[in-house]
Amino acid sequence: GAGVSQSPSNKVTEKGKDVELRCDPISGHTALYWYRQRLGQGLEFLIYFQGNSAPDKSGLPSDRFSAERTGESVSTLTIQRTQQEDSAVYLCASSAYLGDGYTFGSGTRLTVV
Amino acid sequence: AQTVTQSQPEMSVQEAETVTLSCTYDTSESDYYLFWYKQPPSRQMILVIRQEAYKQQNATENRFSVNFQKAAKSFSLKISDSQLGDAAMYFCAYRSNTGNQFYFGTGTSLTVIP
Repeated sequence: GAGVSQSPSNKVTEKGKDVELRCDPISGHTALYWYRQRLGQGLEFLIYFQGNSAPDKSGLPSDRFSAERTGESVSTLTIQRTQQEDSAVYLCASSAYLGDGYTFGSGTRLTVV
Repeated sequence: AQTVTQSQPEMSVQEAETVTLSCTYDTSESDYYLFWYKQPPSRQMILVIRQEAYKQQNATENRFSVNFQKAAKSFSLKISDSQLGDAAMYFCAYRSNTGNQFYFGTGTSLTVIP
């Protein structure tokens, strides 16, 4: 597609439920990133995928968070047993090569009630 | 890990005037990339400008320019002839030449006064 697409745009879930967030990167972009942005704060790195290499999971805050990506296609970020502190905007970005600026999606606003 | 500091949580500028947003970073690397991103209320992060550390010339994109001071580890953004559409959060970001992630500052909220 023309841009990075994320779905859903907004998600409200009950505490303890699992949620799945989706990111569809720009076609041909080998690198894909997930970031979390809490209200009024900067971006917090979660995970990075580069082609078929092992992902860099160093930013995942707990084992309740996981992400998958098959090849250079869609990625899903899963949060199990959601907690209120998981409420944030989850941003996905992709890039074509090292040094290239990211192209971001519009994010998923997750609210845990 | 690298750190990026934006010391101005909020800034304001009169329409048509010039404003400068500050950014400093901490790194021991010599080769890296620096970026400024704009985030309007729509949440979409938009790349404004980027700078390669090995280039001495400051990057310029229309009304946006940077003042890159490598020795001082400073990377400020100048917006000339400010427009109402420039109102947004602005994030400074650092990326290593070898690393996988960007490091973002905490952002500066820019208000443009008509």
